[in-house]
Amino acid sequence: GQQLNQSPQSMFIQEGEDVSMNCTSSSIFNTWLWYKQDPGEGPVLLIALYKAGELTSNGRLTAQFGITRKDSFLNISASIPSDVGIYFCAGHRQGGKLIFGQGTELSVKP
Amino acid sequence: GAVVSQHPSWVICKSGTSVKIECRSLDFQATTMFWYRQFPKQSLMLMATSNEGSKATYEQGVEKDKFLINHASLTLSTLTVTSAHPEDSSFYICSAGLAGGLRYEQFFGPGTRLTVL
Repeated sequence: GQQLNQSPQSMFIQEGEDVSMNCTSSSIFNTWLWYKQDPGEGPVLLIALYKAGELTSNGRLTAQFGITRKDSFLNISASIPSDVGIYFCAGHRQGGKLIFGQGTELSVKP
Repeated sequence: GAVVSQHPSWVICKSGTSVKIECRSLDFQATTMFWYRQFPKQSLMLMATSNEGSKATYEQGVEKDKFLINHASLTLSTLTVTSAHPEDSSFYICSAGLAGGLRYEQFFGPGTRLTVL
């Protein structure tokens, strides 16, 4: 099925560094959702975005809904070891199903 | 926040037996629930969309007689893996959609690890 282009696929960073990941699509979405998945667990919703250009924060996390409605990014500031996990973006159109990115695996070195 | 539970969290069964997985939305009513399958290091693969009171809609390539879905109430959907075989071993995750106006969110359960011997 359709997937979003999410990059990077993996990141290995030092504790305290900032992180940025993004998703792009060839088509428009009404909603962008960002999830974090820990090993052996289900994804947990971090941020939901509903308007083009919208910038939303959740603690050290900030996400933006791209102006073209075809992309979104997620930033994590001052990373800590518990930020380790796989981050997924997902796009949604009204009445449709969630379309997922391939995921970004984040590793944080203390 | 919206909470989705899943039971069991893991199950080991013999080849040829059937396994039922339950998915419940604990603090909201979900007219639509979803069942996903996830392989190691991969994204989530939608198997089917479960609609309360009606038949599930299966994705292409997913056998509906193999993966039986029932959505009997607004808070419960079940997935039954019939005549399970080792290739059915995987991580199964359910989710529930919550829509209001133009807003949409989807909340996931903790997943069920199925191992078929």
